[in-house]
Amino acid sequence: QKEVEQDPGPLSVPEGAIVSLNCTYSNSAFQYFMWYRQYSRKGPELLMYTYSSGNKEDGRFTAQVDKSSKYISLFIRDSQPSDSATYLCATPDRNTGKLIFGQGTTLQVKP
Amino acid sequence: DVKVTQSSRYLVKRTGEKVFLECVQDMDHENMFWYRQDPGLGLRLIYFSYDVKMKEKGDIPEGYSVSREKKERFSLILESASTNQTSMYLCASSPGTGDFYEQYFGPGTRLTVT
Repeated sequence: QKEVEQDPGPLSVPEGAIVSLNCTYSNSAFQYFMWYRQYSRKGPELLMYTYSSGNKEDGRFTAQVDKSSKYISLFIRDSQPSDSATYLCATPDRNTGKLIFGQGTTLQVKP
Repeated sequence: DVKVTQSSRYLVKRTGEKVFLECVQDMDHENMFWYRQDPGLGLRLIYFSYDVKMKEKGDIPEGYSVSREKKERFSLILESASTNQTSMYLCASSPGTGDFYEQYFGPGTRLTVT
């Protein structure tokens, strides 16, 4: 079992839809979670990060962590074609500090 | 803004060639990383460095080596390129000794080995 699992998609939604992107993780010691966005032919960029449980909101984006079920989510409200990208969840290994990435979910928002 | 640059966006090399991929960051970051990204496998860490002349193996170091002679520059070397090293190579950096959490990525180098 991979330490961080993510459905690769692709996920296709109409413009304006609410998008839910999800990851599961196996190690309950993980406490810090990040979402990276990667546009085609570009490097990933940090979108949001959260610590422990709860929600964090930034504009149209909300990151949510449910530690009891080891589930992390990224919600995008009023999705736009410019949100079309691959979204990667990540968490640091507390022993080494290395980032452990999910496979990434490819999202397409159609006008 | 943090800027991480990579020497080439696209590179085509022949099997057996020695390949150098260069990465430069301009924010005085302590830590630098090399990943490769392949469909279905996601991002995999090859090597990382938390200080000049220091290096640590990542998850898939075989067939690669690295060099960090200056703080801002981290090079990935393929001693004898093979076709299974065809991939997207991403360099990243992060601030602070031991702080690996927020990594900033370069645009990537798409390497094709024929």
